[in-house]
Order: sequence, then C-alpha cells, then structure tokens
Amino acid sequence: QKEVEQNSGPLSVPEGAIASLNCTYSDRGSQSFFWYRQYSGKSPELIMFIYSNGDKEDGRFTAQLNKASQYVSLLIRDSQPSDSATYLCAVRGATNKLIFGTGTLLAVQP
Amino acid sequence: EAQVTQNPRYLITVTGKKLTVTCSQNMNHEYMSWYRQDPGLGLRQIYYSMNVEVTDKGDVPEGYKVSRKEKRNFPLILESPSPNQTSLYFCASSLGGFAKNIQYFGAGTRLSVL
Repeated sequence: QKEVEQNSGPLSVPEGAIASLNCTYSDRGSQSFFWYRQYSGKSPELIMFIYSNGDKEDGRFTAQLNKASQYVSLLIRDSQPSDSATYLCAVRGATNKLIFGTGTLLAVQP
Repeated sequence: EAQVTQNPRYLITVTGKKLTVTCSQNMNHEYMSWYRQDPGLGLRQIYYSMNVEVTDKGDVPEGYKVSRKEKRNFPLILESPSPNQTSLYFCASSLGGFAKNIQYFGAGTRLSVL
C-alpha cells in the first residue's frame, strides 16, 4: 500500500461544475495535509493546507479532512479551464517527513 | 520577493560528467530539500537539510550529494551522472521541518543525461 494514494485521473468536469479530488493516507499519526497544484512542467504551488478534522474553505477551494477514515479531499467549486492541472496531495506523517501522492490530473472542459 | 531559486533551469549533459544544480532561498528558512519528479512516481525526496551542516538522506539518495555550508544555499551534486538520473528536479524550503510548516518550491531543473 502506498503511503499517500490518489487516483491518477484524468478527472474531467465541465466548466462551472464542482471538481472533487480525493486522497487517502496510511500513517495514522499524520499531522498535516497539503494540496498543491502543478501545471505541466512547472513547480508545485500550495493551494490549501488543513490540520484539523472537518472542512476548511478558501475562496472556491474547500479542503476536507477525516482522520478516522484517513481521507482528505479537495473540492473546487465553479471550476474554470485555468484550474486544469495536476493536484498533488501531501501528508506530513508522524516522523515529520512530507510524503506526496502521485497526483490527480484535472481537466476542466469549456 | 520571497523565493527559491534554482539554476540552471534546463541542462543536457553526458554520462559521467560531474554537474551541480544550485538552490538558493531568501526567506531565512532552516529546512531545505531536493526532490526528483518522474512520470507515475510523483515527487520523491533525494536529500534534505534541517540546518547548516546538517543533511540527511531521503528516499532516493543514490548517485547524489549535497552540502549545506550556508543557510541560504543547498546545492545538489551529481558526481557521475547516468541516464537514469534524467528527471525534473525541485528544490524546496520551509521555515523548519515541523508539522505545520509549508514547503515552497523552486521553478525546477529539467536534466537530461545522454
């Protein structure tokens, strides 16, 4: 089992829809969770971080964390073509090491 | 402007020719790290440094060296590059290697070893 798992996609959604990106992790001692956006050939850019169970909203983005289920998700409301990118889930475990998933490719269709 | 700067951005070299990729940050961050990114494998940590003169291996350290003589700089050295080191490399830094600290990434270095 991979330490951080994401569906590679592509996840295709129409413009204006909600995109839902999911991530599961194996280390129950994980303390902090990050979502990065990465355009092709570019560096990862932090979108959201979440430390506590529940939801955290920032503009069109909502991160959801469920530690009991070892599950973190990212919702993007009113998806735009400019949101088309690979979304990386990163989890900092009990050892403080930051582990990345392989990413989900999101394609927003105009 | 707060940033992590990597150089060069693109590099083509031949097997066995030593090379250095530089990384510098201007945020006074203690923690710095090198990653490589390959299709289907995601970001994998090569080496990291918790502070000056303190470095440690990540998940894929073979064939790489690093040094941290100054807080702002963390160069990645390939003593004898091989084709399997062809990859996209990222340097990252954060205030510390602690749970809530956010890592900021450089623009990346695309390396091809022929």
